[in-house]
Order: sequence, then C-alpha cells, then structure tokens
Amino acid sequence: GENVEQHPSTLSVQEGDSAVIKCTYSDSASNYFPWYKQELGKRPQLIIDIRSNVGEKKDQRIAVTLNKTAKHFSLHITETQPEDSAVYFCAATPVGGTSYDKVIFGPGTSLSVIP
Amino acid sequence: SAVISQKPSRDICQRGTSLTIQCQVDSQVTMMFWYRQQPGQSLTLIATANQGSEATYESGFVIDKFPISRPNLTFSTLTVSNMSPEDSSIYLCSVDGTISGYTFGSGTRLTVV
Repeated sequence: GENVEQHPSTLSVQEGDSAVIKCTYSDSASNYFPWYKQELGKRPQLIIDIRSNVGEKKDQRIAVTLNKTAKHFSLHITETQPEDSAVYFCAATPVGGTSYDKVIFGPGTSLSVIP
Repeated sequence: SAVISQKPSRDICQRGTSLTIQCQVDSQVTMMFWYRQQPGQSLTLIATANQGSEATYESGFVIDKFPISRPNLTFSTLTVSNMSPEDSSIYLCSVDGTISGYTFGSGTRLTVV
C-alpha cells in the first residue's frame, strides 16, 4: 500500500522567513496530494491540494509543488506569521478516478514561527 | 465543503466496555472514512465505509474490534469494542469532498480507564 514520508518532523523559523516541508510517496498510482494544517486540539483543515496533472499550485502565501517522476511533493509557506504555527500533514491518495479514494497521511511536521 | 457533526466530543470509559461514535454529514457522500490519531501522532486510517456494503478495514484493524455502520449516504457510526487503555485516542470521521477535498469531523477524544 501507499507509504508517505515527511521531513522535517519539526521546523522552527523566524517570522517573515519561508518554511519548506517535503514529502515522498511510494505508490505511483497516487494522483491527489492534499496538505492539512492542524492546530492544537482542533481537527485537520485542508489548506491546499494538488493533482497529478499539475506541477505547481499557489494560494497567496502557500504553494505546493509536485514531481511525479521522483514521487516528491513539497509545501512552501512564504512570509511566515505566528498563526502559521501548527502541525502540517501531507497526504497522498492512491487509485483515484472520478472520486477520491482513501487518504494516507505523512507523519507530520510541527512548525513553530518565532515572532 | 461538507459539514460534519461528530459526537460525542469526548468520553471517559471503563475498560471492557464499548463506545459508539456517530458522524452526520449535511450532504450525501459516497465514502466516509474513520481515522485514529494518538497523541502527538499522525492520522491512521481505520476503515472506509461505503453505503450498502461492508466496511473495508486497514491492516491492523478488525471488524470485531471496530464495527462500522453506514445505513445511508449521510451517516456512519464507529464502535470501539471491549476497550482497553491502548484504545485511548482521538477518533475522527472524514468524508470524500470530491471537488473540495476531504473534510473532518471535530473528533472524539476517548480515554479508557
């Protein structure tokens, strides 16, 4: 089955700097890659996603890149703010089609933005 | 995106008992998923529930321990049976948002004593 790895496990940046989180996946059939932000005590919230027919997607300060050949995808957060502090999970969906299949999560990255 | 109501939000249970967690969605969805999140850990998929068929369980999870019901396209339950302290965790349901991505219920924090 699908296996998702994520690095680093913890990341500390100064406010205003950029943060990059990298993930790899194992199943070449995966074609949907969401990223979730989870604040302490709250449910995971989808912040951005990318599909396998796209190499990059951007939404304001957040961008995601995908390299299907290498089975790598990354989250980039620019101009970080203290409210970006949270645990971030990458995920991959094997199989696919017109409807999504189960989502397999990476182990998570705890991001701390230092004011 | 779909709105999910999950209950109970938390419970403290005696070992050996069972707890049923409910998820109600405000729209019809094809698939519902049940996850477990242990403290400080990632989300682990327990099973996938499709309406009208038996749930599909992931490796390490069995129906006798985690029976699931999916009576219609807006509702599902997960039961944690014969609980032990190792079952203490947060349990979350999730739905397939198709266009808008997956969304999660607010979670059930279970403590087994």
